[in-house]
Amino acid sequence: EAGVAQSPRYKIIEKRQSVAFWCNPISGHATLYWYQQILGQGPKLLIQFQNNGVVDDSQLPKDRFSAERLKGVDSTLKIQPAKLEDSAVYLCASSLDGVSGNTIYFGEGSWLTVV
Amino acid sequence: GIQVEQSPPDLILQEGANSTLRCNFSDSVNNLQWFHQNPWGQLINLFYIPSGTKQNGRLSATTVATERYSLLYISSSQTTDSGVYFCAVGETSGSRLTFGEGTQLTVNP
Repeated sequence: EAGVAQSPRYKIIEKRQSVAFWCNPISGHATLYWYQQILGQGPKLLIQFQNNGVVDDSQLPKDRFSAERLKGVDSTLKIQPAKLEDSAVYLCASSLDGVSGNTIYFGEGSWLTVV
Repeated sequence: GIQVEQSPPDLILQEGANSTLRCNFSDSVNNLQWFHQNPWGQLINLFYIPSGTKQNGRLSATTVATERYSLLYISSSQTTDSGVYFCAVGETSGSRLTFGEGTQLTVNP
């Protein structure tokens, strides 16, 4: 069974530029998550989708971050304009059905450095 | 929101030793998961354990929900067990998971 796929793995951009990350969850998983992990900290949820609807985006900085999951499968997370403090690993994860608290599976992450 | 505290923050072991990692949380939870993040950053789910006890090989976990803590046991540790262990909790089964700060485990040969 293929795992959660993410790209790009690494990205370096200048502040005020934009960047986009892509995620393809495990086949059949209804729930997709984007987490931000700053070095030395635990992951923090940015947004949670159930199929193509948003379940929780309360911690998403909506002035600069946006995410979509148009067909209920893959998803894109965008940052525009980027700030230095956005340097982090962006982790995509999926679960069979987040509503009932299934096991969450993570991708390898997209490492962002903002200079 | 719910607070999650993990201890110890750092742990250094010799290969073959046993260890216990603790996760305390500030409110009732219906979702608790343990993860291992390897040195390359990959997060692997170890246990989904909102209550009770589970075992998987050399690893086992116990959650006492009424007393708001969970324990992860690692027996006969190996160098490949090195990495960061995270506890993550959710107040309801479908709500966001809040992660602790993790326990950095180093197993020396």
